[in-house]
Amino acid sequence: DAKTTQPPSMDCAEGRAANLPCNHSTISGNEYVYWYRQIHSQGPQYIIHGLKNNETNEMASLIITEDRKSSTLILPHATLRDTAVYYCIVRVSPDQTGANNLFFGTGTRLTVIP
Amino acid sequence: DAGVTQSPTHLIKTRGQQVTLRCSPKSGHDTVSWYQQALGQGPQFIFQYYEEEERQRGNFPDRFSGHQFPNYSSELNVNALLLGDSALYLCASSMDRGLHEQYFGPGTRLTVT
Repeated sequence: DAKTTQPPSMDCAEGRAANLPCNHSTISGNEYVYWYRQIHSQGPQYIIHGLKNNETNEMASLIITEDRKSSTLILPHATLRDTAVYYCIVRVSPDQTGANNLFFGTGTRLTVIP
Repeated sequence: DAGVTQSPTHLIKTRGQQVTLRCSPKSGHDTVSWYQQALGQGPQFIFQYYEEEERQRGNFPDRFSGHQFPNYSSELNVNALLLGDSALYLCASSMDRGLHEQYFGPGTRLTVT
């Protein structure tokens, strides 16, 4: 079962920052937060992941609250190509064996508007 | 690097038939996972193969089976197709049993009539 809650849809103006929220109030201490996105008719694409510290890469930033019960994915300058469904996923630590498959919910459909 | 490839891209089958879908993982990856994505839903985990064995399985009936070959490529077989099996079937590859990021292929769109 999905362990995350996301808004079903969001709009963002092109060039502005897109902030996508995710609630994961039952997250365990050994679970990471992962973000994937799926552009129409393509397979999901990995974006970023984190445990408790904020993370940044070339695609996005991930802000995780101190209590780890929620997080926000930030696309700093959204473009039309960022229009996609964004999935927030919690999963066990990469250091552990066992259930390491991904549980996708229904995600947030982000539409970037020109 | 070709990334994850899947074949065929589209497939139409009749109810009751059997289908085989194929996946070649990204170079250097040894683990293959299969997902089913119904229209308007997120992908649902079917099973994962590592070292030619099924290591984990989601909530799918035995009609869904798979295989991994020594070159790490994989097949997904579905027997006795039902209309509800119509979906996008995604293959994802990774290293070390999926403990790292998973890379997805473009999927195979299966339509059962």
